Amino acid sequence: GAVVSQHPSWVICKSGTSVKIECRSLDFQATTMFWYRQFPKQSLMLMATSNEGSKATYEQGVEKDKFLINHASLTLSTLTVTSAHPEDSSFYICSAFGPGLSNEQFFGPGTRLTVL
Amino acid sequence: QKEVEQNSGPLSVPEGAIASLNCTYSDRGSQSFFWYRQYSGKSPELIMSIYSNGDKEDGRFTAQLNKASQYVSLLIRDSQPSDSATYLCAVNLAGTASKLTFGTGTRLQVTL
Repeated sequence: GAVVSQHPSWVICKSGTSVKIECRSLDFQATTMFWYRQFPKQSLMLMATSNEGSKATYEQGVEKDKFLINHASLTLSTLTVTSAHPEDSSFYICSAFGPGLSNEQFFGPGTRLTVL
Repeated sequence: QKEVEQNSGPLSVPEGAIASLNCTYSDRGSQSFFWYRQYSGKSPELIMSIYSNGDKEDGRFTAQLNKASQYVSLLIRDSQPSDSATYLCAVNLAGTASKLTFGTGTRLQVTL
C-alpha cells in the first residue's frame, strides 16, 4: 500500500508555456498532499500543502499565481506551472500521508521539468 | 542555525561495515522523525520513522532518537553497495502541523 504516482515523469517545454503535473494516490485516499521542489544537489523544499476541497497553503516565497494547485478529489492533486521560465526547471515531487493514522509521508516518483 | 542539520559527506564505508548517519534539529518540541533514502535522480523512499526516545530496529536499519540532545541517527549494519545513496533526515518541527523539514542529506558510499 501507500503508492503515489506522478505524471508525467519528465517534461520539456518552451519558455512561457504552462505545464500540468498530476499526483495520484493509487491505493488509498489522501486528503492532504504536499508538493516539493528539488534543485540539483540540494534538499527538498516544500512548496505548498494541498488540501482536498480547499485552497492550497503556500510556503513563504512561493508564488501562488505561478504554481497553481488543485486538489479536486481524494486521490488526485495537480500542480500547474504557469508561464514557465528556465529558472523553474527542477525536480518536482509530491507526497501524501499513507493510510491509517501514521503521519509518514510517501513520495511519488517525481517529475523532471526542463524549460528551454 | 539550520532547523535540521546533517553532514553532507560523502561518508565512505567498506562493504559489510556499519554506517552511522547523524542529524540534529533545532526545535526541542519536535515529535516525529523520519529517515529517507534517495538515489540519484529518484524521489525519496521512507526507511524509518521514530517518535520516542531510544532505538527502533527494522532489519539492517536502526534509528536512534535522543530528544534531550536533539539528535536522531540511523545505523546501517552490514552495509551493501546498494545502500550507496543520499540519506535525508526529516523532522516534523513543532508548530508546523504535518509539514516535514528536511536536512540537506548525507551521501553514503559503500565501497567494495
